[in-house]
Amino acid sequence: NAGVTQTPKFRVLKTGQSMTLLCAQDMNHEYMYWYRQDPGMGLRLIHYSVGEGTTAKGEVPDGYNVSRLKKQNFLLGLESAAPSQTSVYFCASRSSYNSPLHFGNGTRLTVT
Amino acid sequence: QQQVKQSPQSLIVQKGGISIINCAYENTAFDYFPWYQQFPGKGPALLIAIRPDVSEKKEGRFTISFNKSAKQFSLHIMDSQPGDSATYFCAAREEGGKLIFGQGTELSVKP
Repeated sequence: NAGVTQTPKFRVLKTGQSMTLLCAQDMNHEYMYWYRQDPGMGLRLIHYSVGEGTTAKGEVPDGYNVSRLKKQNFLLGLESAAPSQTSVYFCASRSSYNSPLHFGNGTRLTVT
Repeated sequence: QQQVKQSPQSLIVQKGGISIINCAYENTAFDYFPWYQQFPGKGPALLIAIRPDVSEKKEGRFTISFNKSAKQFSLHIMDSQPGDSATYFCAAREEGGKLIFGQGTELSVKP
């Protein structure tokens, strides 16, 4: 029972480089979310999806793009990384409006 | 603009004591208030949740108290144990289903 799997677990980027974070869930969930966690800031929503082929902006979407081509996968892209994007990124999913969020174990990203 | 404000940022409690974490919100349209627990290196996991038409919910040693008129809610951990040491997040669900999280509280329970 894998649940929500995030890859990679750690990554170091130089300013201006690009990368994609992958989130995969095996629970057939409709809704998927990307959050970033920073000390003293809690979890802030970057982008989310309410179903395959849909995406929407959250609280802090600037500098990120997402895609949900398959129901089980939600990709978060950084086109030109900046030090301000140093954070721990969490993916989450849920089956319906009233069901709880299931989180992955996070990706720790450092941008130098 | 933080829609959900959580305090304290950190908390140290002796084993057997009561841990209390508080949250306040502004948006009266929030319709669901969960608490998440996060251990180091792991993602948050749902601990307990309450709806605004209920003033209290208890699950084992964990209780949510909800004050709708004051727009505040709190988590009480009775008989706190070292295994409860974790970061706790309150959250509120806005229209459309998105969760807005508080800033988090790092709880340390000393043996």
